[in-house]
This record gives sequence, C-alpha cells and structure tokens, in this order.
Amino acid sequence: GAGVSQTPSNKVTEKGKYVELRCDPISGHTALYWYRQSLGQGPEFLIYFQGTGAADDSGLPNDRFFAVRPEGSVSTLKIQRTERGDSAVYLCASSWLAGDAGELFFGEGSRLTVL
Amino acid sequence: GNSVTQMEGPVTLSEEAFLTINCTYTATGYPSLFWYVQYPGEGLQLLLKATKADDKGSNKGFEATYRKETTSFHLEKGSVQVSDSAVYFCALSPGTGNQFYFGTGTSLTVIP
Repeated sequence: GAGVSQTPSNKVTEKGKYVELRCDPISGHTALYWYRQSLGQGPEFLIYFQGTGAADDSGLPNDRFFAVRPEGSVSTLKIQRTERGDSAVYLCASSWLAGDAGELFFGEGSRLTVL
Repeated sequence: GNSVTQMEGPVTLSEEAFLTINCTYTATGYPSLFWYVQYPGEGLQLLLKATKADDKGSNKGFEATYRKETTSFHLEKGSVQVSDSAVYFCALSPGTGNQFYFGTGTSLTVIP
C-alpha cells in the first residue's frame, strides 16, 4: 500500500515476554519515528531514525526498549521483559524531509496489551 | 524545553457551531507548528501547519495562526460538521533533526 504499515495491529502478551513491532514506512522516506500513545494522552516520542542510524533515541524509557532499521526502510521496535506499564499504542511515522518541518505520515499503530 | 499545552476536552458541539481549540507552546528557537487529527479507527494525519510567525495554516475549513507574541496556535472552524468528530492534536517541531512534540489531544464530538 501507499501508507505507513504497522504490524501487528494488536498484540496481547504476558508480563515478562519479548515483543517485536514492525513498521514499513512510505517508500523513499528517509526519516522514521516511533511514538507511544497511552490512553488519553498525546504521542510520546521514543526514537527517530535518519536512514539506518538512530539520530535520537532519547525517548526510549529504559534499556528494555530497542529499535533497529538495518536497511534504512523497515524498522522493528523490540521490547524485552514486557511490563504492564508498557501497554499502549505504538505509533510509527515516516517523513520525506530529514529534520525539516516535514509532514509526518503515521501508521494506524500497534496496540500492545501486557497482561 | 519544548512542550505543547492543549485545551482539555472532551468538546461537544452542535452542527454548524463555531469551534476553537486552544493550543500554546514553549519552544527553543523558532519551531514549526502543526495540527494533527485522528478520526475514529484511523491513524493521525496532518490537518494543517505553519512554519513561521504570523503564518496561517488552513485546510478543510479549519484555520490556525502562528502567534509568536502569545506563543499560541489555536485551531478554529466557523461551522463544524458531524464528520469533524475526531481527536485533534497540536504539535511542534523545533526544526532540523528534531522530534515532534504533541499535546494531549482534544476530543471533539459534533452532534446533528
């Protein structure tokens, strides 16, 4: 499709398990962002990629969270030893412009529920 | 630091009513300002933006003016429709190589 694709759309897991969330950005977009949105809140920044490298990972809450983008396209957000507080919608966005006020194109999100 | 403060909701209006959703910001430098909208069951999408002071962004009958003197970017629409029911997010981008900062969102419901 033409938009940002995120899989899975829903993920239910048990506390302590490992989870991977995938983002397929719009073709040609060099910038890719991960955000987390808790109920009733706005998107909270996690990490931003420019190409293959993480340009800013200051939003990752702790070392259980990690993200990669090995070929500069698809990105995977990895969460180890999940906790109930990790439950949220994880949003991916991509953009043409690396750092200018380029429009962010969002996926529909991956809803993670940790039981 | 950078932050966005947004009018709390939820907001319920009758069709054809006037809408204002307040947004103020704190930023280092000269940010660009945005309104994103999230319709039920859909991802966030850009509604409008303004990249410098006194610019007015507009789209689908919505408008917002970048006011540096009051550090505001209030969203307005003269006559809302049922199809405008959604959650609206104000956001800023400080500029080059930076993340976007979002407000907490304002839920709007328009009733016939």
